[in-house]
Amino acid sequence: DAKTTQPNSMESNEEEPVHLPCNHSTISGTDYIHWYRQLPSQGPEYVIHGLTSNVNNRMASLAIAEDRKSSTLILHRATLRDAAVYYCILRDDKIIFGKGTRLHILP
Amino acid sequence: SAVISQKPSRDICQRGTSLTIQCQVDSQVTMMFWYRQQPGQSLTLIATANQGSEATYESGFVIDKFPISRPNLTFSTLTVSNMSPEDSSIYLCSVITPGQYGYTFGSGTRLTVV
Repeated sequence: DAKTTQPNSMESNEEEPVHLPCNHSTISGTDYIHWYRQLPSQGPEYVIHGLTSNVNNRMASLAIAEDRKSSTLILHRATLRDAAVYYCILRDDKIIFGKGTRLHILP
Repeated sequence: SAVISQKPSRDICQRGTSLTIQCQVDSQVTMMFWYRQQPGQSLTLIATANQGSEATYESGFVIDKFPISRPNLTFSTLTVSNMSPEDSSIYLCSVITPGQYGYTFGSGTRLTVV
């Protein structure tokens, strides 16, 4: 399985944008980039996914580098409810989780 | 997206016993998976539950320890057999439904083995 690398943790102030990076230098041409997050005491939830173009949805934006070897999940205005572990995953027919980034939001 | 009901939500079990966890989905799903999340860790895929055939297990997981059933397109069970304290974890069911890009996860079963 192609691997991803994320920082172990990040901090951000409430109501400010957050940029969560992910490196995936061994990505193949057909791998979709998926992001999930796990709120405390809950199962993971799907956030966003993309292949080559940048993507936006109601939860976040996904910026994908031109060479696809990295991507960034963007939370435009973080709230305390966004404190979670964020996982960047290269989607195959099954999801393999890495360690993710624990995002702390400071009030 | 699909709604998953996972039961029980938590249990405390004696070592050497077995526990069966149920995963019920409110719609037919394409694929079902079982994960384990040990305390403070990320999720580890145990197996893919195949409808009408034997589950496909990941490296390090075996059928004798984690037998899985999937009798139809909306239901699966995971049994944790001959439990030891090392099996204390959260066990999660995950599904993907036709037309959905993202996987949906259940809220998990928190198992403590004493």
